[in-house]
Amino acid sequence: EAGVTQSPTHLIKTRGQQATLRCSPISGHTSVYWYQQALGLGLQFLLWYDEGEERNRGNFPPRFSGRQFPNYSSELNVNALELEDSALYLCASSLGDRGRETQYFGPGTRLLVL
Amino acid sequence: AQSVSQHNHHVILSEAASLELGCNYSYGGTVNLFWYVQYPGQHLQLLLKYFSGDPLVKGIKGFEAEFIKSKFSFNLRKPSVQWSDTAEYFCAVASGTYKYIFGTGTRLKVLA
Repeated sequence: EAGVTQSPTHLIKTRGQQATLRCSPISGHTSVYWYQQALGLGLQFLLWYDEGEERNRGNFPPRFSGRQFPNYSSELNVNALELEDSALYLCASSLGDRGRETQYFGPGTRLLVL
Repeated sequence: AQSVSQHNHHVILSEAASLELGCNYSYGGTVNLFWYVQYPGQHLQLLLKYFSGDPLVKGIKGFEAEFIKSKFSFNLRKPSVQWSDTAEYFCAVASGTYKYIFGTGTRLKVLA
């Protein structure tokens, strides 16, 4: 069974640009989560999508947005990039969610903002 | 605001030593608790989780964790660590609104 995949593995952008990160969940999983892992800060919850809808978001500005497609894959968009957006962005998927499901993580996309 | 604290950022142990990693959370309502692990070069994966019932939860690879509600704690334990337990360990809490909050992680190094 294929795991969670993310693309690209690395992304280099300059300040002010937009970044698009992609995630494909495990087959059959309907929930997708996005996390930011910046150095020394652990995983910060960004967004949760389930069945195509945004269900919850963390304490991030609106320039962090995303969507979930009918095939349950997801996209994270970061507009007006700032230097402090440089981080590892992790995607996870689960079988729906009621706060109890195991999340399966992908390898991450490392974003560098210059 | 809800938070999860992992007080030990780096832990170094010799093989066969006992392990206890602390995790404390701040949230007054019902929570679901998790420990995830990231082995070198691998993805984050679940070690164990607690929702209700017996507060002592057993996970994979001989790990266990105890939920102490009065202390808002969910500490991870293993009686005897192995070199292969070298990894980064994350405590996580899912609150009633299903926001997942992760701790900053504890890097464990086990010396052979």
